[in-house]
Amino acid sequence: QLQLQESGPGLVKPSETLSLTCTVSGGSIASSSYYWAWIRQPPGKGLEWIATIFYSGSTYYNPSLKSRVTISTDTSKSQFSLKLRSVTAADTAVYYCATTVYPHWYFDLWGRGTLVTVSS
Amino acid sequence: DIQMTQSPSSLSASVGDRVTITCRTSQSISSYLNWYQQKPGKAPKFLIYAASYLQSGVPSRFSGSGSGTDFTLTISNLQPEDFATYYCQQTYSDITFGPGTRVDIK
Repeated sequence: QLQLQESGPGLVKPSETLSLTCTVSGGSIASSSYYWAWIRQPPGKGLEWIATIFYSGSTYYNPSLKSRVTISTDTSKSQFSLKLRSVTAADTAVYYCATTVYPHWYFDLWGRGTLVTVSS
Repeated sequence: DIQMTQSPSSLSASVGDRVTITCRTSQSISSYLNWYQQKPGKAPKFLIYAASYLQSGVPSRFSGSGSGTDFTLTISNLQPEDFATYYCQQTYSDITFGPGTRVDIK
């Protein structure tokens, strides 16, 4: 059974780069069935899609974050990653990784999420 | 950008009630509308895709309808485990979520 687990620092300083990894177990990240995504949720607020990637390298970004975000895969480690540059307190959120399915792009399987706080 | 609204923003209901949540988009999105349920401290759970198709394993008391700009999520015979926040999501142009509707116990 496919499972996702986020990992990374829980605290990042303003202006630095937030780096998170999602480890996929119980299945292959190189599967043609899934795309892989990051979504975030600031404390007490709603959900915001960040980015999506296919194992072949195709990427899709939220236009509001595109200039600061990079999503990538490492098929040898069965992982995909998120980098968010020049963070501010507004980037404090629970970050989720998830699977997403073409063509309706719903997020059908989620990790548990990891809280990242941006603070000096 | 496609703007999304949900109404009401919150509601109180009793076990056994029928609950309807509305999601509206600022432009037509055909049926590219999905629904999620989220409980406090948990990741969202995927419920419905393409406006009206129930994800496998989701109880049949959940149903969705609509197309274009107006969509509804209905929970018939509300159960204790259904008290949560519900989000709609459009995937017609980029991906955005509605602001959420909180369903709590009356």
